[in-house]
Amino acid sequence: GQNIDQPTEMTATEGAIVQINCTYQTSGFNGLFWYQQHAGEAPTFLSYNVLDGLEEKGRFSSFLSRSKGYSYLLLKELQMKDSASYLCAVREGNTPLVFGKGTRLSVIA
Amino acid sequence: GEEVAQTPKHLVRGEGQKAKLYCAPIKGHSYVFWYQQVLKNEFKFLISFQNENVFDETGMPKERFSAKCLPNSPCSLEIQATKLEDSAVYFCASSPSSQGSRYGYTFGSGTRLTVV
Repeated sequence: GQNIDQPTEMTATEGAIVQINCTYQTSGFNGLFWYQQHAGEAPTFLSYNVLDGLEEKGRFSSFLSRSKGYSYLLLKELQMKDSASYLCAVREGNTPLVFGKGTRLSVIA
Repeated sequence: GEEVAQTPKHLVRGEGQKAKLYCAPIKGHSYVFWYQQVLKNEFKFLISFQNENVFDETGMPKERFSAKCLPNSPCSLEIQATKLEDSAVYFCASSPSSQGSRYGYTFGSGTRLTVV
């Protein structure tokens, strides 16, 4: 099974860049997902990595190193609306996604 | 539809009462997943379906919890004799494949169950 670890809370300033790390331990790795979840709402898909490297999508980028069991989500030009929880989820083989406990990001002025 | 529809949004039950939650997956998605989110964002997988068949039930509590996905009906998750510890947000998600495609799963907005 997976063991997914990410920081519980982070604070960053509007306009800055923040990096949210996720480490995992799994066999049969078959993809890593990042989701954003605003308080009281459903998680929404942000990014997907299955091969090593960086995936960029607008202000958000996600990086994966399979040999290190490590991923990060990079958020640039932070806006107040980016205050949310960011969930790292790992897929192992054909099993359901397993989620980390999430990182609660607070963006301050 | 293009969204996963969950009802009701909120549900309050006294301890020992039954709770029933519903989920209509996105049209064309054969897989449905139920997750329980308790405090501190911890998501716990409960059960998944491929159409009306149970695909994976490794997370389902053996007692009190049951789920169904019947043809032409919303999927349902039922909790018999609710306990205080069942208080959580229950999310349903759907996907076109068991592996969730490169977009993972699409989640509904959840049902917040409060057991008092």
